[in-house]
Amino acid sequence: KQEVTQIPAALSVPEGENLVLNCSFTDSAIYNLQWFRQDPGKGLTSLLLIQSSQREQTSGRLNASLDKSSGRSTLYIAASQPGDSATYLCAANSGYALNFGKGTSLLVTP
Amino acid sequence: DTAVSQTPKYLVTQMGNDKSIKCEQNLGHDTMYWYKQDSKKFLKIMFSYNNKELIINETVPNRFSPKSPDKAHLNLHINSLELGDSAVYFCASRLAGNQETQYFGPGTRLLVL
Repeated sequence: KQEVTQIPAALSVPEGENLVLNCSFTDSAIYNLQWFRQDPGKGLTSLLLIQSSQREQTSGRLNASLDKSSGRSTLYIAASQPGDSATYLCAANSGYALNFGKGTSLLVTP
Repeated sequence: DTAVSQTPKYLVTQMGNDKSIKCEQNLGHDTMYWYKQDSKKFLKIMFSYNNKELIINETVPNRFSPKSPDKAHLNLHINSLELGDSAVYFCASRLAGNQETQYFGPGTRLLVL
């Protein structure tokens, strides 16, 4: 059974800092890994999808890496802004469905 | 031109009632899903469905049943609602192929009183 863990559970940083969110998964037999953003009371916004054959994906200030063999992914956010404040979820796709971590709640203070 | 839509957005109801949440996707996708996000914000799969196969997470009570009138719809029926059913329910869909991206609906916030 796939289990996904995200560390830290919560993070508070001043504006402008670079930061890393961590995601680990127990079963390396995944098709891809996806990072989502969720604002309070809102739905899921897909940020980045990394296929199992890829090592990283970039979108603007976001960079996600995947090390399938070690069961790890990281989401790097450069030059953080208050608008980045949200919960970030990673999800491992094992084929049947997405297995989500419990998320990292990020607060970027001005 | 919403890709995956859900109705209603909010649902408040009494314990013991039967209710349905509708999901529609206009992406031509083959597989649809229902996920539940509990009060601790943890998202878990409930059902996966395509025109050939329904896969049910073994932890889902049989009071919950998905019904698909056609390929573009997967509705969630809940019988005899309980307080613990209060949660946000997300519908999602994807093309055939396990590597394909899932697209999520905006969620339905269910409150059982």
